[in-house]
Amino acid sequence: GAGVSQSPSNKVTEKGKDVELRCDPISGHTALYWYRQSLGQGLEFLIYFQGNSAPDKSGLPSDRFSAERTGGSVSTLTIQRTQQEDSAVYLCASSSRDSREAFFGQGTRLTVV
Amino acid sequence: GNSVTQMEGPVTLSEEAFLTINCTYTATGYPSLFWYVQYPGEGLQLLLKATKADDKGSNKGFEATYRKETTSFHLEKGSVQVSDSAVYFCALSPRMDSSYKLIFGSGTRLLVRP
Repeated sequence: GAGVSQSPSNKVTEKGKDVELRCDPISGHTALYWYRQSLGQGLEFLIYFQGNSAPDKSGLPSDRFSAERTGGSVSTLTIQRTQQEDSAVYLCASSSRDSREAFFGQGTRLTVV
Repeated sequence: GNSVTQMEGPVTLSEEAFLTINCTYTATGYPSLFWYVQYPGEGLQLLLKATKADDKGSNKGFEATYRKETTSFHLEKGSVQVSDSAVYFCALSPRMDSSYKLIFGSGTRLLVRP
């Protein structure tokens, strides 16, 4: 596609349930990032994938958070046993191998009730 | 460590006023610097960037100059429009960091009144 695509755009879930958020990066982009934007807050780095290299998971806030990237393209961010403090907009971005310019998707707004 | 500090908002200006949003950074080595903008209801978009000292990034009338001596990358525009109302994020990408991750400031909301 023309840009980074994220789905769903909105997700409401009950506390304790698991959720999966999907990201389709720009075709040909080898780098993929997940960020979290909480209400009124800045952007918090979560995880970074670059090609076949081991991902940089240094930003994941707890072991309830995990992400995978299949075939070097689509990525799924999974949050297990969701808590109310997980409510935020989850942003995905991608970039080409040698560029530090990241292109962002529209985000998934997650609300945990 | 690497960090970005930008002025707190909201910044409220009248149309055609001069805009400055301050951004300073702490980083190892010489990072690449960026300004991203988030218009209401939209995703983040790259506004401009600079990759080395004294570079000036510019786009849509906005400018920012990479100042190594003051570790700053202030965003300026000579005459703002109502359509510039948005949240502006300063960010850096450390050159020493192989992961290329972007480190963002907390964002500054700009409101331009007609």
